[in-house]
Amino acid sequence: GESVGLHLPTLSVQEGDNSIINCAYSNSASDYFIWYKQESGKGPQFIIDIRSNMDKRQGQRVTVLLNKTVKHLSLQIAATQPGDSAVYFCAESTGYSTLTFGKGTMLLVSP
Amino acid sequence: DGGITQSPKYLFRKEGQNVTLSCEQNLNHDAMYWYRQDPGQGLRLIYYSQIVNDFQKGDIAEGYSVSREKKESFPLTVTSAQKNPTAFYLCASSIDRLAGGGSYNEQFFGPGTRLTVL
Repeated sequence: GESVGLHLPTLSVQEGDNSIINCAYSNSASDYFIWYKQESGKGPQFIIDIRSNMDKRQGQRVTVLLNKTVKHLSLQIAATQPGDSAVYFCAESTGYSTLTFGKGTMLLVSP
Repeated sequence: DGGITQSPKYLFRKEGQNVTLSCEQNLNHDAMYWYRQDPGQGLRLIYYSQIVNDFQKGDIAEGYSVSREKKESFPLTVTSAQKNPTAFYLCASSIDRLAGGGSYNEQFFGPGTRLTVL
């Protein structure tokens, strides 16, 4: 498969645990953030997004937290499953600018 | 069945040759994007187009060219001037934010094309 994850930060968890993936962003003017999931050899899939006027947003088994004070974004995955194993990217944008992607974190879930 | 398609999935090129990667979407999205992905790195923007017959350079446009003659199609040509073309290429499209519908610049990605230069 595609070696997207080579040399990436890695988070290893057991099936059923909760996972927290972190992302630090650099532009204090960024007003929109997205988390993507990328499985080996595939394109990124949208997971959840959040705008800067919010500090928390929940989806199905996932929660995104935004702390604008320290420019930090996190993705929480509840009851992590082996199918959640992938590389996770955060992305940010400002106004009508294009998205800027982080380098990604590899999540490995053990049965 | 709506979505973004990229072809081919794997592409091999001899050094010095130009090659064109296909990207088609039937989501009626105005904006389309090309990214390059290398191992251990995030996505880097090559070119993007917000409307037909118009496109802008991204962060790493050198050695690449694009066209946007139709809303549905945004082909990328990797020219012989690209020094290190071996990579995974991803195409994306998004809803026009100015239209106000849906999410802010939420981008939908195709399955990618892996280009290898021999």
